[in-house]
Formats: sequence, C-alpha cells, structure tokens
Amino acid sequence: DAGVTQTPRHEVAEKGQTIILKCEPVSGHNDLFWYRQTKIQGLELLSYFRSKSLMEDGGAFKDRFKAEMLNSSFSTLKIQPTEPKDSAVYLCASTGGDGEQYFGPGTRLTVL
Amino acid sequence: GDSVTQTEGLVTLTEGLPVMLNCTYQTIYSNPFLFWYVQHLNESPRLLLKSFTDNKRTEHQGFHATLHKSSSSFHLQKSSAQLSDSALYYCALGGGYKVVFGSGTRLLVSP
Repeated sequence: DAGVTQTPRHEVAEKGQTIILKCEPVSGHNDLFWYRQTKIQGLELLSYFRSKSLMEDGGAFKDRFKAEMLNSSFSTLKIQPTEPKDSAVYLCASTGGDGEQYFGPGTRLTVL
Repeated sequence: GDSVTQTEGLVTLTEGLPVMLNCTYQTIYSNPFLFWYVQHLNESPRLLLKSFTDNKRTEHQGFHATLHKSSSSFHLQKSSAQLSDSALYYCALGGGYKVVFGSGTRLLVSP
C-alpha cells in the first residue's frame, strides 16, 4: 500500500505569494491532519478532517491558512499571503482506526 | 482539554547508558491511546510504540513503555542507548477525536 504522499517536497516563495501544498492520505484512512513543524515550536496542528469534514482549523492559523479536502483521497493547504515566518516543514498525516498517524515526507517551505 | 507533557527538551547520554524519556498526560477520556513517535534527522515522525492497556509493557526495537493510568504516565525506556537512537521523540495522546502531541524530547547519544 502507498503511504501518505505530499507534493511538492520543496517550495520557495516570495513574501506575499500564494502557495498550495498537496496531500494524498493512505487509502481508506478517514482522518487527515496538517501540521507545521519548526525547531522552536515543534509540531503545531493546522487542520484536522474526519471523513472530509473539517473538525479543527487550528485557531491562530485561521487567517492566512486554509485547508480543504475535496474528496477522501486528496487535500490541499493554501497559505495566502505567505510571510517569512511561515518558513517551516509542513507535514500531512492520516490515521486509520487504531489512531496511529502515518506521516508524509513533508514539504519544506522557504519564504523569502 | 487534552494535553501531553514532556519535561525534557534535550537529553544527552553516553552510548551504553539507559534511556528514560518522561511523558505524562491529561485527558477526560477514560480509555486513551498513548503513542511514542520517533523522528530522525531529515525524516518524518514514525510510530515507535503504542498502548491502550493499563499496566501492560509494550516493546519495540529495544524500547519499552508501560501505560500507567493511575499516574497518567507513559515513559519511554531502553536499557542501553545506541548512537542510532539519536533523534527527536514525541509522546502523543489519542482517544478523543484527534491526537495531541507533546513538545518533543531530543535525545543525543554520544560515543
């Protein structure tokens, strides 16, 4: 079985640009999570979907971050507009029935 | 709300010494799942251990942990650290509708 896939693996953006990150969860998994990871803050939850319904939108990340799940096998995370402080690794994870999270390889975003 | 506390941000050890990384949690859920994830450099987190059974030792790849609901703890242990154990370790809590991660403990093992 394929694991979680994320594209692109690396993204460089100018301040103010719009970027879209993509994620395909493990087939059959109902829960999908978007995280941001930095050395200082660790893992921060951005969004959480259960069966395509948005369960949590990450509070402080609401204003410029928007995650969508158009179908059970594809999700996007849009950052608009980007700021240099958004530079981080963005991880997507999906979860099966036992709660184990399967992480994708991540997208490393650099905002100049 | 649910929370996970990992008290050590950084643990440094000499190879061969025992490892113990602390994890305590708070939840209203009576049957929580507890997880340890490990993240090596330039990789994504992956599951190391999981448990939902009170007072039962769980082992994998030389590491072990026991969920103690009485003390809300799920400490990670290993009898002898190896250089390859150097990584970032996250304790996580599930059982509600999502997983909550601790802040992580970086383990550095030196020769």
